Amino acid sequence: AQRVTQPEKLLSVFKGAPVELKCNYSYSGSPELFWYVQYSRQRLQLLLRHISRESIKGFTADLNKGETSFHLKKPFAQEEDSAMYYCALSHGSSNTGKLIFGQGTTLQVKP
Amino acid sequence: GAVVSQHPSRVICKSGTSVKIECRSLDFQATTMFWYRQFPKQSLMLMATSNEGSKATYEQGVEKDKFLINHASLTLSTLTVTSAHPEDSSFYICSGARGDTQYFGPGTRLTVL
Repeated sequence: AQRVTQPEKLLSVFKGAPVELKCNYSYSGSPELFWYVQYSRQRLQLLLRHISRESIKGFTADLNKGETSFHLKKPFAQEEDSAMYYCALSHGSSNTGKLIFGQGTTLQVKP
Repeated sequence: GAVVSQHPSRVICKSGTSVKIECRSLDFQATTMFWYRQFPKQSLMLMATSNEGSKATYEQGVEKDKFLINHASLTLSTLTVTSAHPEDSSFYICSGARGDTQYFGPGTRLTVL
């Protein structure tokens, strides 16, 4: 069964500290993985996707098929990074396939 | 950018009544729209995939007669919660697909008394 697991409900770090939001997945085919972010009182928005291999707002994520992980990382957290982060997996080859979301991790960056 | 709106943003209704939620893509055409449900402090769960001009595809466990979806145009999909009960109270979110990206609406908070 397809599944996305984010083991941490809350991650609290100080400004300037490194951040790693964990995401593990279970998928029988070749997955397409995404990270979405939801800032306070705002809608869900795409942060990055594994196929583009880009860095957005200093965040990166590498797909590790051996460990079935897609952890989100940032070397130096900023207060404006405080938000809810969701890891998601898409059926099929594009983001227009159905998305399965993880439970979400709240990132709290303290001053 | 691509903007998706939802109306209403919040609605309170009595048990047994029906409620319609609209999802509009404002500046793009969305052949496919998705409807999600989010319980407090939980993740988004896909309810159904809405394709313009055809019947929606529902996820396992979602009652299609209770959650009626209509996607009559490339910019509008509607979700009607029929004979609503308190357990239907939730946050409903839609998304529209443009190219290979889904754009999400702001959500609709439904409270059934």
